[in-house]
Amino acid sequence: AQSVTQPDIHITVSEGASLELRCNYSYGATPYLFWYVQSPGQGLQLLLKYFSGDTLVQGIKGFEAEFKRSQSSFNLRKPSVHWSDAAEYFCAVGDNYGQNFVFGPGTRLSVLP
Amino acid sequence: NAGVTQTPKFRILKIGQSMTLQCTQDMNHNYMYWYRQDPGMGLKLIYYSVGAGITDKGEVPNGYNVSRSTTEDFPLRLELAAPSQTSVYFCASSAGLADTQYFGPGTRLTVL
Repeated sequence: AQSVTQPDIHITVSEGASLELRCNYSYGATPYLFWYVQSPGQGLQLLLKYFSGDTLVQGIKGFEAEFKRSQSSFNLRKPSVHWSDAAEYFCAVGDNYGQNFVFGPGTRLSVLP
Repeated sequence: NAGVTQTPKFRILKIGQSMTLQCTQDMNHNYMYWYRQDPGMGLKLIYYSVGAGITDKGEVPNGYNVSRSTTEDFPLRLELAAPSQTSVYFCASSAGLADTQYFGPGTRLTVL
């Protein structure tokens, strides 16, 4: 069965600074990888996903993520953070059947003005 | 489009009571999912469905039941509520295999 770890429970950055959120997964084959964002009191919204092909994936709101098979990682990045990016971020991995999704515990992002 | 709708938004149950959480999607998606999110935790998959009449267990199915009689609806049933089922429940749907999941706004359930 697949698993996901997000080593950072809470990250604080200043507005305009760069951001990297870490995600490591465990799965025997090439996984389907996702990053979701959850604003307070809201459901989850997909930022980006990786299935195959180019290992650098572009998403919405200026986010990107890079799949590194050798490191079993799928880190999320943004060059310049905005105050509206403050939220909870979840990495998720799906199996080859696309039916069983495992979410990481989440990283809470705070943005200082 | 409404997307994925869930009712109720909030509910308080007493131990041993039962209830059904409703989920409806208007995107004609085949795949539907139920998750629970405990405070400070990620989402855990309870049940999922790949089409009308087909359901399967996820990671944490105990204490829950589901049915999928139509493409649009995927209700989640709690038969004997327990305090351990206090959580926020999210329903989601997707068009197909590993496609983007669209989430409802959630149902906050408290069992006392």
